[in-house]
Amino acid sequence: GQNIDQPTEMTATEGAIVQINCTYQTSGFNGLFWYQQHAGEAPTFLSYNVLDGLEEKGRFSSFLSRSKGYSYLLLKELQMKDSASYLCAVRGYNKLIFGAGTRLAVHP
Amino acid sequence: DAGVIQSPRHEVTEMGQEVTLRCKPISGHDYLFWYRQTMMRGLELLIYFNNNVPIDDSGMPEDRFSAKMPNASFSTLKIQPSEPRDSAVYFCASSTNGGAQAYEQYFGPGTRLTVT
Repeated sequence: GQNIDQPTEMTATEGAIVQINCTYQTSGFNGLFWYQQHAGEAPTFLSYNVLDGLEEKGRFSSFLSRSKGYSYLLLKELQMKDSASYLCAVRGYNKLIFGAGTRLAVHP
Repeated sequence: DAGVIQSPRHEVTEMGQEVTLRCKPISGHDYLFWYRQTMMRGLELLIYFNNNVPIDDSGMPEDRFSAKMPNASFSTLKIQPSEPRDSAVYFCASSTNGGAQAYEQYFGPGTRLTVT
């Protein structure tokens, strides 16, 4: 079967660092994606990991451990505009399986 | 560059009516995906096409749903007859396996469907 788990909700303070975890069990693996989705909007691409390790992109970093079926998204220097849902997705052959998403609320 | 275009943005219809959602993918993208998003079930893949050919429709909930892609720049998702449980946001996304943007899916703004 296929299963992707991530926390439902998280809260953090403006300027702080937050880590959103994702664990997965899928029948095939060709990479892991993180998407950001603001309320009422479409998901937008944040990061892609296919090899183990850390990928850094400005304030956002994503880590992957294939042997552990584990990834995290690290957001630094949080801003109010980072309040959104963050979706973890695993790519099989050509399709993405999405987790339910983590709703992040950033407070002043 | 125009992104993925979907129409209509909002649709309100009565149970039993036919609903047609439309999508224009990004030019040059050879993969097109239809998703449905609800609070209860999250983002679910319904069907995807490669070079206008349906590859995997295992996510289509039942025979009331059908999708077509007559050419590289247009796709439709049809629900006939519609039911209240079909109320959701329907997203279309496109991607290509080539170049620096390989595998990344670009989502359209979505169609918010309400069936009363």
